[in-house]
Amino acid sequence: EIVLTQSPGTLSLSPGERATLSCTASQSVTSNFLAWYQQKPGQAPRLLIYAASSRAAGIPDRFSGSGSGTDFTVTISRVEPEDFAVYYCQQYAGSPYSFGQGTKLDVK
Amino acid sequence: QITLKESGPTLVKSTQTLTLTCDFSGFSLYTSGVGVAWFRQSPGKALEWLALIYWDDDKRISPSLKSRLTITKDTSGNRVVLTMTNVDPLDTATYFCARRRPKLLMFDYWGQGTLVTVSS
Repeated sequence: EIVLTQSPGTLSLSPGERATLSCTASQSVTSNFLAWYQQKPGQAPRLLIYAASSRAAGIPDRFSGSGSGTDFTVTISRVEPEDFAVYYCQQYAGSPYSFGQGTKLDVK
Repeated sequence: QITLKESGPTLVKSTQTLTLTCDFSGFSLYTSGVGVAWFRQSPGKALEWLALIYWDDDKRISPSLKSRLTITKDTSGNRVVLTMTNVDPLDTATYFCARRRPKLLMFDYWGQGTLVTVSS
């Protein structure tokens, strides 16, 4: 089973700042099948990034994903008020399809 | 337009069997490569994958829950059912279903989730 570790646990930023969230896998993720989700309270996860760096449909271009193998990053170039949420990475290369523990992006 | 919706009991008692239904539209489980998965999220916790069923009835189940979970699809091609036996208060969570996209394989569309509370 691939274990995903996200850092930091909480990231406190002001609107307009740049956010960098990390996800480290315990072993290489095949084909870089790594996704990022945004989740707000009481809502379902929203797919942001798939295949490590491809933006999902309708996702603003301030969100970008990078990385390969075991180290992945999602960057929000300029945080907007609606971006404050919890972010999860997930590997979908093979079952069990594991998630990281999440990074909470909150207002500084 | 693709939508998924979970339904089931909001409250079950410990040791009972929980049955959850995922009804979806905008795609069919008769389409090659399509899959539908179940996930859950305990209050304040991270997401956890539970089970996945494919168009061809191939199935994957979380190893930690393998003895308690069953996933099936019905003949309509638009419904998936998850059954969990011998529930425990630790199974209290919001349960989500999601589509696994053909070829690209990510879980792209999710239902709104349904909260299930297990009482002791």
